[in-house]
Amino acid sequence: EAGVVQSPRYKIIEKKQPVAFWCNPISGHNTLYWYLQNLGQGPELLIRYENEEAVDDSQLPKDRFSAERLKGVDSTLKIQPAELGDSAVYLCASSTGTDTQYFGPGTRLTVL
Amino acid sequence: RKEVEQDPGPFNVPEGATVAFNCTYSNSASQSFFWYRQDCRKEPKLLMSVYSSGNEDGRFTAQLNRASQYISLLIRDSKLSDSATYLCVVNTGFQKLVFGTGTRLLVSP
Repeated sequence: EAGVVQSPRYKIIEKKQPVAFWCNPISGHNTLYWYLQNLGQGPELLIRYENEEAVDDSQLPKDRFSAERLKGVDSTLKIQPAELGDSAVYLCASSTGTDTQYFGPGTRLTVL
Repeated sequence: RKEVEQDPGPFNVPEGATVAFNCTYSNSASQSFFWYRQDCRKEPKLLMSVYSSGNEDGRFTAQLNRASQYISLLIRDSKLSDSATYLCVVNTGFQKLVFGTGTRLLVSP
């Protein structure tokens, strides 16, 4: 079974530029999560989707971050404009709605 | 106070040693508990769930104390391959997982 797929794996941009990350969850997983992980910290939830509905986006900085999951499968997370402090690893995870979440390899973002 | 607190370590142990990690959580309504393992520059992966009765998987034993809001992970006979960061994870409800900062383990020959 294929795991969670994320792209790109690495992204380097200059501050104030836009950036987008893509996630394809495990087939059949209706719940999708985006996390941010800073160095030396655990993942922090940004947004959770149940199918195409964002059911928890309370931690998403909505002034510059946006996300979508139009058909309830793939998802895109966007930052516009990026700031230096956004440098981190962005992890996508999926689940069937049970406790176990399966993570993708992440996108490592560097903002210069 | 953080919702989930762990000692970041690192814990440096020789091969064959027994090592224990602890974790405390602040939300008494938390429903389920886990240990995830994260290798350097890799994604977190579920190591084991933690049950009130305690559970064991090979060399790994997890325990939960709801009264003290405390979770532990014991690793016996440490292997070099156990070197990783161990994340304590709490489901605070509605499938919301809160991760600790992780405890780094280094097993040396």
